[in-house]
This record gives sequence, C-alpha cells and structure tokens, in this order.
Amino acid sequence: AQKITQTQPGMFVQEKEAVTLDCTYDTSDQSYGLFWYKQPSSGEMIFLIYQGSYDEQNATEGRYSLNFQKARKSANLVISASQLGDSAMYFCAMRPFYNQGGKLIFGQGTELSVKP
Amino acid sequence: NAGVTQTPKFQVLKTGQSMTLQCAQDMNHNSMYWYRQDPGMGLRLIYYSASEGTTDKGEVPNGYNVSRLNKREFSLRLESAAPSQTSVYFCASSESGWRETQYFGPGTRLLVL
Repeated sequence: AQKITQTQPGMFVQEKEAVTLDCTYDTSDQSYGLFWYKQPSSGEMIFLIYQGSYDEQNATEGRYSLNFQKARKSANLVISASQLGDSAMYFCAMRPFYNQGGKLIFGQGTELSVKP
Repeated sequence: NAGVTQTPKFQVLKTGQSMTLQCAQDMNHNSMYWYRQDPGMGLRLIYYSASEGTTDKGEVPNGYNVSRLNKREFSLRLESAAPSQTSVYFCASSESGWRETQYFGPGTRLLVL
C-alpha cells in the first residue's frame, strides 16, 4: 500500500536555527514524486519543494532542501535559518507514477513552531 | 495571476441541503482535483479529472459528485449534506504527469449542522 508517515506531530525550533522535518514513505513503485507543502494558519496549501525518485541530486529551493535517501525511503525537509513566518503545518506527499490520475498521498503533517 | 480560485470561502448547511463548490484555474492545466481535509489529518482525494471530459473517483467519493465543465472549471456537488461532510475542501490543478506539481486553491470551509 502507498503510505506517507510523518512521525513528528509537533516541533519547536529557535529562530535562525535549522530544523529537519521527517518523512518516510512506502511504495513498491520505482518512479514517484515527493512533495512538501506548507499550510499556515490562514489555511492555504503552499508548494515548497519537489524531489523525483530518479533525481540524483537532493532538491533545494532557497532555505528549503530535501534530504532524499531512496534506500531508506525517506524524504526529510530541512529548513535553514528558521524565521517566525515558518510557523505552520508541513505536509509531505507522494505522487506514484502508476496512478495516471496523479493523486497526491499525504502524511498527517508536522506542526512547526518557531520561537523568537 | 489568480492561480486556483474557489467559491465560496465558507458555508454553513443544514443536514440534507445541497450545494455546489466551484473551482477555476487560469494556468491552462489539464488535471484538476478535489480534496478534503479533516482536523489533524492530511488531505484525502475525493474526485479528480485527468483531462477535460473525464472524471474519476478518488479515495473518499461517497456523497459527492463532480463536473468538469471545461478545461478551467471543476465543481464539486453535495446532493444531501451530512455532518460527516463537515471539512475543509481544497481544489487543485496540475499539468499531466507524475512529476508535475499540484497547485491548491485557498479552500472552502464547510460546516454541516
């Protein structure tokens, strides 16, 4: 079965420090995409970063990077130099190749709180 | 560039009432999706439309119907609302293909009494 697991319901980080949000996934596919989304208290879902299963390099987008370990089936999000505005829910999601509809499978999310 | 828009932003219904949630995207995307998000959970797919003229069930389709009106618009209808359908509903769109990013609308908060 396809599944995303985020084991950290809530995390705290000091402003300006780095933080890692964990994500593990379960799939038997060789081709898939991994995504991270941010959901602030206002409720919208904001795309952060994408990693393809065949991408050799870890994805980076500004202060966001994805620590992709394919053998371990993990895709952890690293946020460097945390800011107060980073306080939000963070969701990891997977899009399996076999599913031509392209649905995203979401984890339950991690609530990040950045302390001043 | 508006991206994905949803109306209404908030709605209160009584059990048994019907309503339609509207979604439109201006990114010329082929695929569109409806998700629901319940408290403390990630999003779950209700229905999707891989391209204009096609729709398919997702993980939790019971109690819903959809219409892909044209390439831009994808509506979600609740024929007889139930309290279990109290949720936040998100519409999303993307290009076709498993590598493509889905972009989300702002969501509709629905309360069924």
